[in-house]
Amino acid sequence: EDKVVQSPLSLVVHEGDTVTLNCSYEVTNFRSLLWYKQEKKAPTFLFMLTSSGIEKKSGRLSSILDKKELFSILNITATQTGDSAVYLCAVESGGSQGNLIFGKGTKLSVKP
Amino acid sequence: EADIYQTPRYLVIGTGKKITLECSQTMGHDKMYWYQQDPGMELHLIHYSYGVNSTEKGDLSSESTVSRIRTEHFPLTLESARPSHTSQYLCASSEPGAGRPQHFGDGTRLSIL
Repeated sequence: EDKVVQSPLSLVVHEGDTVTLNCSYEVTNFRSLLWYKQEKKAPTFLFMLTSSGIEKKSGRLSSILDKKELFSILNITATQTGDSAVYLCAVESGGSQGNLIFGKGTKLSVKP
Repeated sequence: EADIYQTPRYLVIGTGKKITLECSQTMGHDKMYWYQQDPGMELHLIHYSYGVNSTEKGDLSSESTVSRIRTEHFPLTLESARPSHTSQYLCASSEPGAGRPQHFGDGTRLSIL
């Protein structure tokens, strides 16, 4: 059965800290891995990763995929209170008609 | 910015009522989805559609039904609401094919008394 596991499930840091969020997966016929940020409402798309070892970067956020070890990390440097959210990892697999399988998310709280 | 809209945002209603949750997108996306999300839990796919007149059941069994008469519109209906239906319902859309990110609406938070 396809599954996506995120760790930690929750994390509390102070502004300026750097955090690393983890996502491991076991899926049939991997296609891509996606990261979303969910605040009060809609998950918003951050990154899509399809190739190992190529870092995607957007401002203070970056992500990388390891297809051999079946995991991805999301890094946030110099965290701000506005980074407080649930970060969702999802994997697209051929075994699920191309639909996404989500992890439970990591709840990040950034204290001033 | 994705253009996908859900109404209502919040709904509190009694048991036994018929409910329709609306979802519309203006991006011309063929593929649309409905997810159910309970607090602290992952999103579970309950319905999806490849395009007009296509509807498929997702991974999580649901008593709801959907229809896709127009590309932009993908409503979800509960014929007789029960307290077990209390949850957040998220609608999403994407272009067809692999490697296309899904864009989400703001969700409907449904409470059945």
